[in-house]
Amino acid sequence: GAVVSQHPSRVICKSGTSVKIECRSLDFQATTMFWYRQFPKQSLMLMATSNEGSKATYEQGVEKDKFLINHASLTLSTLTVTSAHPEDSSFYICSARLAPSYEQYFGPGTRLTVT
Amino acid sequence: DAKTTQPTSMDCAEGRAANLPCNHSTISGNEYVYWYRQIHSQGPQYIIHGLKNNETNEMASLIITEDRKSSTLILPHATLRDTAVYYCIVGSGGSNYKLTFGKGTLLTVNP
Repeated sequence: GAVVSQHPSRVICKSGTSVKIECRSLDFQATTMFWYRQFPKQSLMLMATSNEGSKATYEQGVEKDKFLINHASLTLSTLTVTSAHPEDSSFYICSARLAPSYEQYFGPGTRLTVT
Repeated sequence: DAKTTQPTSMDCAEGRAANLPCNHSTISGNEYVYWYRQIHSQGPQYIIHGLKNNETNEMASLIITEDRKSSTLILPHATLRDTAVYYCIVGSGGSNYKLTFGKGTLLTVNP
């Protein structure tokens, strides 16, 4: 099946610093990638949708200047959490759509802890 | 997109079939039913999807009622590794189709 990887799997950073999370589709080209956030004991919440070569579309309430998304190629999307604060601590998960079908294949997630 | 209703939790004995129900009474004609699951601290995993007809793959079967207002995901022989939160999601697809995750059903498979 389609494989999506994320790096790093865990990261701890200090408040005020920025951290970049990579999402890669390993064996297919993903025209669309999605970024989700999941707080403990809650469901996944979509943050943004990104298409290769164009600007990401952010969900309501998600600050685009704080969560920078770059989808530079058909196999790589990055999420940069800028000026991180403890409330940004969460489980960040990406997914990639395998065109032309509509299934999304998810990465293993990145656990971000901001101290 | 149509809203779905699932039980909060279910239990199943190892080796038995697990039948997970989902209500989607407001589903429209062009909307698919998708099932994903999330094992603790991992990313969700695609299981199956369907429109009208019943579907089967190596993981599960999906039974959709004739009026399409409800569906059942069947894991024919549950194992301990099937313990997870199962999400039933309804949507119309499209190139930028967004999955809206509800609370899902926590299935616990007991030895």
